[in-house]
Amino acid sequence: GAGVSQTPSNKVTEKGKYVELRCDPISGHTALYWYRQSLGQGPEFLIYFQGTGAADDSGLPNDRFFAVRPEGSVSTLKIQRTERGDSAVYLCASKETGGAFFGQGTRLTVV
Amino acid sequence: QKEVEQNSGPLSVPEGAIASLNCTYSDRGSQSFFWYRQYSGKSPELIMFIYSNGDKEDGRFTAQLNKASQYVSLLIRDSQPSDSATYLCAVLPSSGGYNKLIFGAGTRLAVHP
Repeated sequence: GAGVSQTPSNKVTEKGKYVELRCDPISGHTALYWYRQSLGQGPEFLIYFQGTGAADDSGLPNDRFFAVRPEGSVSTLKIQRTERGDSAVYLCASKETGGAFFGQGTRLTVV
Repeated sequence: QKEVEQNSGPLSVPEGAIASLNCTYSDRGSQSFFWYRQYSGKSPELIMFIYSNGDKEDGRFTAQLNKASQYVSLLIRDSQPSDSATYLCAVLPSSGGYNKLIFGAGTRLAVHP
């Protein structure tokens, strides 16, 4: 596709459940980022992939969060045992040279 | 100290005026700087990037970088109500991961007719 695609656009889940958020980057972009954004805040860095490997996962808040990018294209952010504090918009961005381009985000609500 | 700092605003300017948005960063070795616009309920949209000291112009937008002062700004000339949004400054720091793009909290701009 022409832009970064994220699915689902909205996800409501119960506390304690497992969720997967998908990101399909711009074709050919080797760098992929995951961010989390709460209301009134800037995007908070979670993890960065260069190709298939996680080059920097220092932003993942704890071991309930994990992300993969097995073939260097699509990435999945996985959250185990969700908590209400995980509720936020999860943004994915991809980059080659210049700036990063964002998808429309996944709004996660944990009830 | 936050890595990237912005005044949260709101910055209110009349239509047709120049809006000036400012950002400071803590990593002196940072090399690349980006401005994004984010409308309410939407994802950030890249406006400009700047790598070298000085000014870079693109239409009504001018980015200014002063590495000695660790300061980057965005000027919007002839502001329009459609420019009302949150403007995010982002920095690629030189340490802690070459491509870890760090964002400020954003400045909310309101352009009133």
